[in-house]
Amino acid sequence: AQSVTQLDSQVPVFEEAPVELRCNYSSSVSVYLFWYVQYPNQGLQLLLKYLSGSTLVESINGFEAEFNKSQTSFHLRKPSVHISDTAEYFCAIILNNAGNMLTFGGGTRLMVKP
Amino acid sequence: EAQVTQNPRYLITVTGKKLTVTCSQNMNHEYMSWYRQDPGLGLRQIYYSMNVEVTDKGDVPEGYKVSRKEKRNFPLILESPSPNQTSLYFCASSSGLRSNQPQHFGDGTRLSIL
Repeated sequence: AQSVTQLDSQVPVFEEAPVELRCNYSSSVSVYLFWYVQYPNQGLQLLLKYLSGSTLVESINGFEAEFNKSQTSFHLRKPSVHISDTAEYFCAIILNNAGNMLTFGGGTRLMVKP
Repeated sequence: EAQVTQNPRYLITVTGKKLTVTCSQNMNHEYMSWYRQDPGLGLRQIYYSMNVEVTDKGDVPEGYKVSRKEKRNFPLILESPSPNQTSLYFCASSSGLRSNQPQHFGDGTRLSIL
């Protein structure tokens, strides 16, 4: 069965510092990968996704993630965070052979401090 | 405005008292799903539906029922709720996870089963 591991449950960081949120997955078949963000008391919003093509994907608010097939990773990065980036971030995968079931990681709470 | 609407947003009830959480989307999406979110576990899929009258189990279906009689609605039914179903629930819809369209999430329903 497939699984997603987010190694850090919480990541505290100062404003304007760079950040990396780690995501590793396990699957016997190839996958599509997603990052979702959840702001307090809200549902999840898609941040970015990798379906095919370039392994580096970017979001409109400065986040990027790189798919590394050999390391089965899809880490999320931002070179300079803002207070407004404080949220919980979820990595998720879907198997590309069949089905429509997203498997989520346990989430990483990003806490940006002034 | 494109949205997924869940009701109620909060509910406190007692063990064994049947309850229904409604979910409605206005985007004519074929795919809908229900998740529960628990600390450290991320989101786990309960049930999903590929289209009207087509539903399937996710990772944690025990104790839940769903129905998809109309395209826009996908209610979650707890026939005999128990305390271990205390959780934060999210409904989501999309035109297909492999497409370029994102999955839209509702704002969540927090259930407390006493």
